[in-house]
Amino acid sequence: DVKVTQSSRYLVKRTGEKVFLECVQDMDHENMFWYRQDPGLGLRLIYFSYDVKMKEKGDIPEGYSVSREKKERFSLILESASTNQTSMYLCAAATGASTYEQYFGPGTRLTVT
Amino acid sequence: GQNIDQPTEMTATEGAIVQINCTYQTSGFNGLFWYQQHAGEAPTFLSYNVLDGLEEKGRFSSFLSRSKGYSYLLLKELQMKDSASYLCAVRSYDYKLSFGAGTTVTVRA
Repeated sequence: DVKVTQSSRYLVKRTGEKVFLECVQDMDHENMFWYRQDPGLGLRLIYFSYDVKMKEKGDIPEGYSVSREKKERFSLILESASTNQTSMYLCAAATGASTYEQYFGPGTRLTVT
Repeated sequence: GQNIDQPTEMTATEGAIVQINCTYQTSGFNGLFWYQQHAGEAPTFLSYNVLDGLEEKGRFSSFLSRSKGYSYLLLKELQMKDSASYLCAVRSYDYKLSFGAGTTVTVRA
C-alpha cells in the first residue's frame, strides 16, 4: 500500500506568517496533489505536480505556492497566512497507471488566528 | 470545469441497502471514482468506473451511465462501520479529480 504522510496533524499559525505543509510519499509515484477540504464544499484542488520541479495550478491556487524538489516530497506554502485559509489540507499521490487512484495522507488541520 | 452533485445526508438502518446518487456535468470525462471518508480521517478509494455499467466489489457496487452523467454507489448489508462520508469524484483528461461535496451516511441500529 502507498503510504502518504503529512508533517503535522494540527497546526495553529498567526495571520501573516509563512506556513509550510510537507507531504511525503513512499511509493515512487509521479503525481502529487494538494487539496483543501471545507464543510459543504468538498475537496478542492490547490496545486498538483506531474514530476519533480513541475507544478500546475488547480482550481484555487491564490494565496498558495508549491515546491517539488524531490519525487517523494511535495510542499505547500502559504506565503502570508490569512484566516480564510483555516481549513483541512490533504495531500495525495497517484501513479500514472490506468486506474490512477489517488492515495491520501491523514490531513493537516490548519487554524490561522 | 466540472459540476458534481450528490445528496448531503442519508440515514439507513443496519442491514439495509442505501444508494447514493451522483450527477455530473463535465467538460471532459475520464473516469468516475467513489471514496469513503470516516470523520477525521483521509479519504480511501472504493471504486472506479470508466465504462457504462455496474462494478461490484463485495458489499459495495458502483454504476455509471456516461450518456446521463450519472453514477450511484450501492451499499448493501449496511454495517455500523459504514457510517461515513462518501465522495463522488470525476476525472478529467488531464487527470485532475473534481469532487462533489460528499454524502454523509448515518447507519442506525
